[in-house]
Amino acid sequence: AQSVTQLGSHVSVSEGALVLLRCNYSSSVPPYLFWYVQYPNQGLQLLLKYTTGATLVKGINGFEAEFKKSETSFHLTKPSAHMSDAAEYFCAVSDQDTSYGKLTFGQGTILTVHP
Amino acid sequence: NAGVMQNPRHLVRRRGQEARLRCSPMKGHSHVYWYRQLPEEGLKFMVYLQKENIIDESGMPKERFSAEFPKEGPSILRIQQVVRGDSAAYFCASSSLAEAFFGQGTRLTVV
Repeated sequence: AQSVTQLGSHVSVSEGALVLLRCNYSSSVPPYLFWYVQYPNQGLQLLLKYTTGATLVKGINGFEAEFKKSETSFHLTKPSAHMSDAAEYFCAVSDQDTSYGKLTFGQGTILTVHP
Repeated sequence: NAGVMQNPRHLVRRRGQEARLRCSPMKGHSHVYWYRQLPEEGLKFMVYLQKENIIDESGMPKERFSAEFPKEGPSILRIQQVVRGDSAAYFCASSSLAEAFFGQGTRLTVV
């Protein structure tokens, strides 16, 4: 069975500061890894994904994440936070053998950005 | 290209009533997934359907919940005899070969 742990249910940063949202996973097979963002009362939007190849993945809105197999981690970073980044972020995994739609999600991290 | 469409966006039901949630996948997508998001929690997979087939229902509660994706029309998640614990946001997603796209969700409130 797969599981995803997001360390820190709430993260607060100042505008312009580094954003680091942590995600660790467990999976019996090499997983596909995803980060989604959810704005209030909205659905989820894909930020980025790792399937194969380069372990540093760049996504939308200046976010990136690095797959570290030895640490079973897929932390999300952004060099400089913007007020519009305030939202809830979800890390997710899926088996390579299943479709892209069957995902196991972490509990989410709410990002607050202060002026 | 319209995204994944869910309706209604908000649904209020009294205990014991039935709730029907509808999902139209993105054009060209034939795979639909339903998720439930309880307050303060992440999304939990419920069911995966293709046209006229349930592929994986490992996340569905054993009683009162059912889902279908007919040959024509939207996918339907049906909850019979709702209880307060069913209050949640229900999200539908459809997938291509590379990505899952989520709808805006239906927020069910049971009073």
